[in-house]
Amino acid sequence: AQKVTQAQTEISVVEKEDVTLDCVYETRDTTYYLFWYKQPPSGELVFLIRRNSFDEQNEISGRYSWNFQKSTSSFNFTITASQVVDSAVYFCALSEKGTSGSRLTFGEGTQLTVNP
Amino acid sequence: KAGVTQTPRYLIKTRGQQVTLSCSPISGHRSVSWYQQTPGQGLQFLFEYFSETQRNKGNFPGRFSGRQFSNSRSEMNVSTLELGDSALYLCASSSSESSTEAFFGQGTRLTVV
Repeated sequence: AQKVTQAQTEISVVEKEDVTLDCVYETRDTTYYLFWYKQPPSGELVFLIRRNSFDEQNEISGRYSWNFQKSTSSFNFTITASQVVDSAVYFCALSEKGTSGSRLTFGEGTQLTVNP
Repeated sequence: KAGVTQTPRYLIKTRGQQVTLSCSPISGHRSVSWYQQTPGQGLQFLFEYFSETQRNKGNFPGRFSGRQFSNSRSEMNVSTLELGDSALYLCASSSSESSTEAFFGQGTRLTVV
C-alpha cells in the first residue's frame, strides 16, 4: 500500500527565512509520481510540481525548489526567502503507475505560517 | 480557460437527508475525481470517473455515489447524511485517463447538523 508522511504538522517562520517542508513516501511500484500542492484558506488545492520516479533531478522555480531522493524515499520542498503570501497548508501526494494522476494519496499536510 | 467549478460552495444539511454536489471540469478534461477532506482523516480519495464510467473507488460506504455526464460534468451524492460527513469535498479534473496532473476546484463545504 502506498503512504505519504509529512511529519511536520505546523511550521512558523519569520518573513525572508528559508523553510523546508519534509515529505517521505512508501510505495511498492517502481513507476510513480510525486506532487506538491498548496492549499490557501480559500480551500482550493493549487498544483505546484509533479515529479516522476525516473527523474531525480532537483527542480527550482523562482523561490521554490524541490529535492527528490529515491534512496531515502523523500521529496522535500524548500521555500527561499519566505513571504507572508506563502502562508498556507502544503500537501505532498503520490500516485502510482496504473492509476491516473487523479487518484492521489496525500500526506497529512504541513501548515506553514510566515510572520511579517 | 476556466478552472474547475464546484457548486454550491457551502451547504448545510440535516442528518438523514441526502445531498448532491456538482463539479464542472476544465474544458476538454474528461477525468473527474472526488476527494473528502476532514480535520481527522485528511484528504481521502472517493472515486474517479472517466468518460462516464467509474474507474476507481476509495474506501467509502455505498451512501457515497457519483456519476459523470457526457459533457464530463460530474455529480456526487451522499444519502442518509451523518454528522461525520461534514467535510470539504474537492473535485479534481485531468485531461485524460493517463494524465498525471490533477487540477482542483475550490470545493464544497458541507455541514451536517
